[in-house]
Amino acid sequence: DQQVKQNSPSLSVQEGRISILNCDYTNSMFDYFLWYKKYPAEGPTFLISISSIKDKNEDGRFTVFLNKSAKHLSLHIVPSQPGDSAVYFCAASDVTGNQFYFGTGTSLTVIP
Amino acid sequence: EPEVTQTPSHQVTQMGQEVILRCVPISNHLYFYWYRQILGQKVEFLVSFYNNEISEKSEIFDDQFSVERPDGSNFTLKIRSTKLEDSAMYFCASYNFRVLQGTDTQYFGPGTRLTVL
Repeated sequence: DQQVKQNSPSLSVQEGRISILNCDYTNSMFDYFLWYKKYPAEGPTFLISISSIKDKNEDGRFTVFLNKSAKHLSLHIVPSQPGDSAVYFCAASDVTGNQFYFGTGTSLTVIP
Repeated sequence: EPEVTQTPSHQVTQMGQEVILRCVPISNHLYFYWYRQILGQKVEFLVSFYNNEISEKSEIFDDQFSVERPDGSNFTLKIRSTKLEDSAMYFCASYNFRVLQGTDTQYFGPGTRLTVL
């Protein structure tokens, strides 16, 4: 049962433009959402998180939006840089934090 | 910057052998996790550990898997009798979860690549 879905396996964006990565979930009990960036042969690196009491969280070039009614979140990267090229995973947990469910990832390529 | 460390970085073993993967979580974190990623697939949750016991485990985490926090700093994953399909990257993560504050992060280690021959 795929509780967290990233329907776009890949995305290409020109340097300086906005990258929008999307994530959908099915479990209404999820309260906490995270985005990770992953380079090959490395562990996921935390980027930004959002809890269900918010609909937006911003950290520098990264903004996460949460639409609870649609069970959808998105990560915006503005402006995109070539160093942002990586696989991005969204993950979700309920309030206990006992288990995190990961999406399948979106491979972002930022073209110089 | 705090970090989670894992050893070894690469482990090669014969099918049927036991392996122990080691992790040193961030010292003041309370929650610990193991994940794995089979090549080309998504990151899969294996088990979470809190207060010296398993909080939750996935269906992947069957009787051949076990976890321990033997000395208050290390967090180990043992696979008793490895199978070919256990070949994957295994990631440890630690977390200092504060409910709904949204200020905490789950830190991952660099991973151990397990190859079962």
